[in-house]
Amino acid sequence: AQTVTQSQPEMSVQEAETVTLSCTYDTSENNYYLFWYKQPPSRQMILVIRQEAYKQQNATENRFSVNFQKAAKSFSLKISDSQLGDTAMYFCAFRMEYGNKLVFGAGTILRVKS
Amino acid sequence: DTEVTQTPKHLVMGMTNKKSLKCEQHMGHRAMYWYKQKAKKPPELMFVYSYEKLSINESVPSRFSPECPNSSLLNLHLHALQPEDSALYLCASSQRSLAGALKETQYFGPGTRLLVL
Repeated sequence: AQTVTQSQPEMSVQEAETVTLSCTYDTSENNYYLFWYKQPPSRQMILVIRQEAYKQQNATENRFSVNFQKAAKSFSLKISDSQLGDTAMYFCAFRMEYGNKLVFGAGTILRVKS
Repeated sequence: DTEVTQTPKHLVMGMTNKKSLKCEQHMGHRAMYWYKQKAKKPPELMFVYSYEKLSINESVPSRFSPECPNSSLLNLHLHALQPEDSALYLCASSQRSLAGALKETQYFGPGTRLLVL
C-alpha cells in the first residue's frame, strides 16, 4: 500500500521569504502522480501543483515549485515570496497511474507572518 | 473552469433527521467523489462514482447513501447520523481518461459543514 508522510506538522515563515514543505512517499509503482493541495481557513481544497513521476523536470506554478527526487521518493514544495494568503494547511497527495484514489499525507499547517 | 459547487454550505441536523448533500459540476467530468474531513486531518475517501456507477465504497456505514442521478450531479443522502459524523463533507470530480493521464486531477468543491446534534 502507498503511504505519504509529511514530517512537519506546523511551519511559519515571514512574508516575502521562502519556505519549503517536505513530503516523502512509499510505493513500488514506477509511474504515478503527485500533488500538493492547499486548504486555507475557508477549507476549500485548492490544487497548487502536480507532478507526473515519468517527467524528470520539476513542476513550477508561479511562486510554487517542487523538488521531485524519484529515487529518494521525495516531493517537497517550495513557496517563494510568501504572502499572507499562503497561510493554509498543505496536503501532499499520491495517486497511482490508473487509480482514482488519492492518498494524502497528514498535512502541514503553514503560517505566513507579517 | 474548474468549479465544483456544493449545497448547502452548512447543515445542522438531529440524529433522527433525513437530509441530503448536493454536488454539481459542469466540466464534463465523469468521475465524482465524496470525502469526509475532520478538523486538521486529511480528507478520507467515502465513495467514487465513475460514469455514474459506484466504483468504490470505502466501507462507509449505510446511514450514508450516495446517488449519482446524472453525469453532473452527485448526492449524499443522510439518515440517522451520529454526532461523530459531524465533519466537512467534500465533493470532488475528475475527468476520466483510460490512459490515466493528467486529466485525472481531482478538483474539489467548497464543502458542506455538517453538525449532528
